Amino acid sequence: ETGVTQSPTHLIKTRGQQVTLRCSSQSGHNTVSWYQQALGQGPQFIFQYYREEENGRGNFPPRFSGLQFPNYSSELNVNALELDDSALYLCASSSGGARETQYFGPGTRLLVL
Amino acid sequence: QKEVEQNSGPLSVPEGAIASLNCTYSDRGSQSFFWYRQYSGKSPELIMFIYSNGDKEDGRFTAQLNKASQYVSLLIRDSQPSDSATYLCAVNMGANDYKLSFGAGTTVTVRA
Repeated sequence: ETGVTQSPTHLIKTRGQQVTLRCSSQSGHNTVSWYQQALGQGPQFIFQYYREEENGRGNFPPRFSGLQFPNYSSELNVNALELDDSALYLCASSSGGARETQYFGPGTRLLVL
Repeated sequence: QKEVEQNSGPLSVPEGAIASLNCTYSDRGSQSFFWYRQYSGKSPELIMFIYSNGDKEDGRFTAQLNKASQYVSLLIRDSQPSDSATYLCAVNMGANDYKLSFGAGTTVTVRA
């Protein structure tokens, strides 16, 4: 166990709806990264938060947004859901820095119908 | 060109054999390299990281890095059925770029 928790574990939504996914980082970690993993593919970087500020963003549209709280937990929000948003959403925590290992939570599996 | 590419697999090896996984990356300035294992339906878990050229061993796992060739590999010795999983190569592309870029993964099946 990595100490990183995510909620909910599974979620079913319909197109056009909005969803919020949550992540609690490992104790002592101040950095949270979010990834999307479609079936049969490697995780794709969405964005990263370091000390409550966005610290980099991947090639995802603005309807993917997030924030980080003072306790370093984080949320990922997705508006106007599309069928292609169906995926495993992974949160990873680290203590920051290019060489720091990112430890993944169990993920949230989102299905958009 | 994809940032990180892995041999596509699937890779099937008999129990006790060596499984060899390969990964190439596009950015010559990449700083750090990770191997994650992902069981079906689960999240990635770290196996090893490597920063410097050469070999790094941890139990039955050996990671090899060759920055000149932009190549990193993972060897699994004495493969066990519990090693059956998808192995993901992840690369951190630069000193100020904290994201991990992942390959698509190589699925390994160890035959008992």
